[in-house]
Amino acid sequence: KAGVTQTPRYLIKTRGQQVTLSCSPISGHRSVSWYQQTPGQGLQFLFEYFSETQRNKGNFPGRFSGRQFSNSRSEMNVSTLELGDSALYLCASSQDYKIYTFGSGTRLTVV
Amino acid sequence: DQQVKQNSPSLSVQEGRISILNCDYTNSMFDYFLWYKKYPAEGPTFLISISSIKDKNEDGRFTVFLNKSAKHLSLHIVPSQPGDSAVYFCAANNAGNMLTFGGGTRLMVKP
Repeated sequence: KAGVTQTPRYLIKTRGQQVTLSCSPISGHRSVSWYQQTPGQGLQFLFEYFSETQRNKGNFPGRFSGRQFSNSRSEMNVSTLELGDSALYLCASSQDYKIYTFGSGTRLTVV
Repeated sequence: DQQVKQNSPSLSVQEGRISILNCDYTNSMFDYFLWYKKYPAEGPTFLISISSIKDKNEDGRFTVFLNKSAKHLSLHIVPSQPGDSAVYFCAANNAGNMLTFGGGTRLMVKP
């Protein structure tokens, strides 16, 4: 069974630009969550989608958004990038809403 | 407020000995707890979990203990191996759809 796939693995963007990250969950997993990892703040929850609906959102500004498609694949978008958005962005999927399997992440660098 | 805390940022253990990683939480609504292992620039890998209705769960060399009255859980690794060297995160789930993570403990197992 394929794991959680995130693309791209690495991204370099300029301040003010926007970026879209992609996540393909494990087949059969309908819940997809996104997390941000930074050295200062650790692993923080961004949002969670189930059946194309956002069910929960973390404490992040509106510049961070996401969506889920009918095949459970998900994308997250960050607009008007700031230097502080540089982080490892992780996607996780779950079948039972207890155990979450993570992808390898997308390393975003904002310059 | 930090609802899940790992007070030891690092731990060094000799190969073959026991590693004990600790985690404290404040939210009594958490009902499921997980431990993840993480290498730099990769996503967390699920290790072991425990429901709040249990006080112990074992899987091979890994055992998780939960003390609900103290709001404390610990991960025991016996025997420790050099390949166990990584950052370990505890996480908690409150029957919702998000994980709350501790800050992580870097485990170094010396040969």
